[in-house]
Amino acid sequence: EDKVVQSPLSLVVHEGDTVTLNCSYEVTNFRSLLWYKQEKKAPTFLFMLTSSGIEKKSGRLSSILDKKELSSILNITATQTGDSAIYLCAVPPSGYALNFGKGTSLLVTP
Amino acid sequence: DAEITQSPRHKITETGRQVTLACHQTWNHNNMFWYRQDLGHGLRLIHYSYGVQDTNKGEVSDGYSVSRSNTEDLPLTLESAASSQTSVYFCASSAGSLGNEQFFGPGTRLTVL
Repeated sequence: EDKVVQSPLSLVVHEGDTVTLNCSYEVTNFRSLLWYKQEKKAPTFLFMLTSSGIEKKSGRLSSILDKKELSSILNITATQTGDSAIYLCAVPPSGYALNFGKGTSLLVTP
Repeated sequence: DAEITQSPRHKITETGRQVTLACHQTWNHNNMFWYRQDLGHGLRLIHYSYGVQDTNKGEVSDGYSVSRSNTEDLPLTLESAASSQTSVYFCASSAGSLGNEQFFGPGTRLTVL
């Protein structure tokens, strides 16, 4: 059965810390892995990783895909309170729908 | 600017009533999706459509239906609302041809009493 597992489920850090969020997946035919950020509203797209694009970076956020380990990490350096959110990982099991993990809830304290 | 909208944003209804949640996108995307989000479960797929007249069941489709009569709209209907359908509902769309990036609407918070 296709599935996506994220860890930890929740995390509390201090401003300035670096955090690493994990996502492992099982899917029959891997095509891509997506990361989303969700504040108190709709999820917003962060990165998409594929076999031809295993590393992505945007400002203080970066993500790496490890196809051998069937996993991905999302790193956030020099965290800020505005990084507080739920971070979602998703893979398409087939077609264009997405199978989401349960998310990691990150709280950055001042 | 292209966008995806949902209405209503909040809805309270009673058990047994029929409820329809609207989703409208101006991206001209072929693919549209409905998810529900509950604590402890994350986002789960209800129904999806890859084009006009196409609809497909997702992981948690029981008690829900959709229809796609044009590119822009995918309304979600709860035939007979149940308390277990109290949730936040998100609509999303994607072009498909550019990968699997989906754009989400603002969500509808539905409470079934």
